[in-house]
Amino acid sequence: DSGVTQTPKHLITATGQRVTLRCSPRSGDLSVYWYQQSLDQGLQFLIQYYNGEERAKGNILERFSAQQFPDLHSELNLSSLELGDSALYFCASSVGGARIYEQYFGPGTRLTVT
Amino acid sequence: GNSVTQMEGPVTLSEEAFLTINCTYTATGYPSLFWYVQYPGEGLQLLLKATKADDKGSNKGFEATYRKETTSFHLEKGSVQVSDSAVYFCALSLGDGQNFVFGPGTRLSVLP
Repeated sequence: DSGVTQTPKHLITATGQRVTLRCSPRSGDLSVYWYQQSLDQGLQFLIQYYNGEERAKGNILERFSAQQFPDLHSELNLSSLELGDSALYFCASSVGGARIYEQYFGPGTRLTVT
Repeated sequence: GNSVTQMEGPVTLSEEAFLTINCTYTATGYPSLFWYVQYPGEGLQLLLKATKADDKGSNKGFEATYRKETTSFHLEKGSVQVSDSAVYFCALSLGDGQNFVFGPGTRLSVLP
C-alpha cells in the first residue's frame, strides 16, 4: 500500500458527460501528479500541483482541469468526454519537486467512456 | 530533451532464469534514476532508485547500477519467479512535472 488513495476505482459513463476523479496523497506529501495510461500511449503526464498551486502542466487537454485543495487532496475533472478518453488515470504524490524524491502511485481509476 | 529508452518487450523467461532489462537515458542535467513495477490491475510501485553515479539500488532481489559514463540503469535479477511477471518502467527525475520522465515499459512474463 503506497498510502495514496484514489476514488472511484471504476467509472463508466457516456460520451459528452463530465466526471471527477479524486486523489488523496500520502501523509506529508505536498506534490500531487496526474497521469493518463492508455495501451497505445503509455504513461502520459497531465499536471502537477504543489501545496495548492499548479506547478507544471503536461499533455493535458483543455477539456480537463484539476485542482488541489487546502487539505492537499486533488481532483481531476474531465468534461465533454470522448471515447478516446477511456484509460487508466493515476495520481501520484511526492514530498516535493526535487530530483531525489520518488513518486508514490495510487491504484488508479479506470474510466470507460461508451 | 529528457527521455528514457527501454528494451522492447515482451520478455518471456522460465522460472529461475537470469533477467536483464536494459534502460538508457538522455538528460539535460544530473538526474535521479528509478525502476517502477506495475502488477496486473494495480498502480506503479517503486522498486528501487539511485540518486548519483555508481550508486546501486536494490530491492526484492532486483538490482540496478547508475552508470553515468554509459547513461544506463539496467535492471537485473539473478533468478526470476512467476510472481515477478509484471510491467517494468525505468524513469528519471530532474525535479518537477515533465522533468519526471518514464520509459515506455517492458512487459515480463515468467513461465513455471
